[in-house]
Amino acid sequence: DIQMTQSPSTLSASVGDRVTITCRASQSVSSWLAWYQQKPGKAPNLLIYKTSSLESGVPSRFSGSGSGTEFTLTISSLQPDDFATYYCQQYNNYQGTFGQGTKVEIK
Amino acid sequence: QVQLQESGPGLVKPSQTLSLTCTVSGDSVSNAGYYWSWVRQHPGKGLEWIGYIFYSGRTYYNPSLKSRVTILADTSKNQLSLKVNSVTAADTAVYYCARQVHLGDLALRWWGQGTLVTVSS
Repeated sequence: DIQMTQSPSTLSASVGDRVTITCRASQSVSSWLAWYQQKPGKAPNLLIYKTSSLESGVPSRFSGSGSGTEFTLTISSLQPDDFATYYCQQYNNYQGTFGQGTKVEIK
Repeated sequence: QVQLQESGPGLVKPSQTLSLTCTVSGDSVSNAGYYWSWVRQHPGKGLEWIGYIFYSGRTYYNPSLKSRVTILADTSKNQLSLKVNSVTAADTAVYYCARQVHLGDLALRWWGQGTLVTVSS
């Protein structure tokens, strides 16, 4: 089974900060990596799919990169609406493992 | 606009079977090429992928749950179902159904609002 490890688990940042979240896979997942944002009491919201494709309607301050086993989600300038929990998910070979999540808090 | 709505008992007794339904509108569960998923989230915890069902009925499950889980599609009602056998308190979670973003990519774009299932006697 592929394991996904996100870091950090919690991140404190200010509005306007550049934020980077890392996701590492225990083996290659090619480019089959997605990022989701989740707010309390809500379903996850897809931000990025296939490593770097921005989902329609998602602000361009969100971007994704990486390949194989290491991936990053970058928020170029953190906005008040971005304080939430972020999850990566690999979906290679018809499996769908999530990372444990990164909570982005107000500094 | 794809819409998904989970429904089912909010309380299940230990050792019994958890049964949930996901009603789909704006799309068809038999739409060629699409995968549908179930995901759960334990209270205050992260997301756990449960499994996929392909439009053809083929299924793929999380190995850690495979022995207890069944995902089916009812094309006549345009619904998905999830059954988890022999539940324990560890199956207490919010359960979501979801659909992939588009053909050829299994990232989950369309989600239901989730339904909380508590396992308790």
